[in-house]
Amino acid sequence: GAGVSQSPSNKVTEKGKDVELRCDPISGHTALYWYRQSLGQGLEFLIYFQGNSAPDKSGLPSDRFSAERTGGSVSTLTIQRTQQEDSAVYLCASSFWGSPGELFFGEGSRLTVL
Amino acid sequence: AQSVTQLDSQVPVFEEAPVELRCNYSSSVSVYLFWYVQYPNQGLQLLLKYLSGSTLVKGINGFEAEFNKSQTSFHLRKPSVHISDTAEYFCAVTTNAGNMLTFGGGTRLMVKP
Repeated sequence: GAGVSQSPSNKVTEKGKDVELRCDPISGHTALYWYRQSLGQGLEFLIYFQGNSAPDKSGLPSDRFSAERTGGSVSTLTIQRTQQEDSAVYLCASSFWGSPGELFFGEGSRLTVL
Repeated sequence: AQSVTQLDSQVPVFEEAPVELRCNYSSSVSVYLFWYVQYPNQGLQLLLKYLSGSTLVKGINGFEAEFNKSQTSFHLRKPSVHISDTAEYFCAVTTNAGNMLTFGGGTRLMVKP
């Protein structure tokens, strides 16, 4: 498709389980971002990938969170041993190098931890 | 590091009235500023941006914003709103090409008939 694709759109899991969220960015976009949007909150930066550079992981809230980007394209955000406070919408975005701040967002993956 | 403050969490307004959504930022270096809109049950999309040049920038759907460096503000305005403008609006800032975008807490615009 032409836009950023995220899956699953909805995920319900039990506390303590691991979850994986997938993001397929727009073809040709070198930058990929993960943000978290909690109920009534703004967007919290999690991690940023730019080309082959080391990712900026400064926003990851704990070591239970990790992300990888394979082949400079698809990215997976993994949350281990999920907690109820991890419940949120996880947003992925991508952009061209040289287009500062012009992010194209997916529709998000809504995670509910019971 | 940079930060963004959106002073109003909710703004109710009647249809065809003007609206201003306020945004202030903090940064020790030059910034690029953005407004994003999130319609109900949709992803975020770029509304407008300020990179350099004219401080008054125009975006989609009749919105405009003015960069005021002395007041560190980037308020969003529309002279006449429509029901369809009901959405969450996010102000955002970055400082370099390719760096992550820092968002404000969002303002929910509620347009009433």
